[in-house]
Amino acid sequence: AQKITQTQPGMFVQEKEAVTLDCTYDTSDPSYGLFWYKQPSSGEMIFLIYQGSYDQQNATEGRYSLNFQKARKSANLVISASQLGDSAMYFCAMREGLNNAGNMLTFGGGTRLMVKP
Amino acid sequence: GAVVSQHPSWVICKSGTSVKIECRSLDFQATTMFWYRQFPKQSLMLMATSNEGSKATYEQGVEKDKFLINHASLTLSTLTVTSAHPEDSSFYICSAVRDRGNYGYTFGSGTRLTVV
Repeated sequence: AQKITQTQPGMFVQEKEAVTLDCTYDTSDPSYGLFWYKQPSSGEMIFLIYQGSYDQQNATEGRYSLNFQKARKSANLVISASQLGDSAMYFCAMREGLNNAGNMLTFGGGTRLMVKP
Repeated sequence: GAVVSQHPSWVICKSGTSVKIECRSLDFQATTMFWYRQFPKQSLMLMATSNEGSKATYEQGVEKDKFLINHASLTLSTLTVTSAHPEDSSFYICSAVRDRGNYGYTFGSGTRLTVV
């Protein structure tokens, strides 16, 4: 069964507008972490934002915010004021367990975001 | 910040030859490194987990004799694709883990392997 689901294979957004990328997850572990990564065409994985399962507040990092709805098991990424450089693949990922050591990241299928000028 | 260096960034090799990919953590010690494979327009799929000083743990369906992983030190892990075939052509990317902090997965820049 899919542990991380990203239902939007591709999305367009107008420059300077906000966009929400969906991510739902499935785990029975009460301790987990959720990550979002950006992958431009060069292939590198750029860390954007992290949310821990016990975090009370939604994570924010500059123009990125994470809409964490624990009961619904969703962790949507919100990008505000989109820029042309935001065009890339975006991956949601989950780590089960309390910390990173020895615990792998499981990735969703990704969403390709295209920002229109 | 944490930096992981991965080399080579791209390689073309003949069918039947072996290719070694290096993943090096430059400014931290990585007790665990993960190796992923990514086909075009697909997600990252975990191949194996590499722990310093011990044998790698391979995911189901990954041939351990074909994809040799060595994690000889706290800063270096290598993936060797042995007897490469065209179907092994893919993007390979490593991730090194720092024990501290939840932000501690640092990825290499990836290696694009083309087997001809």
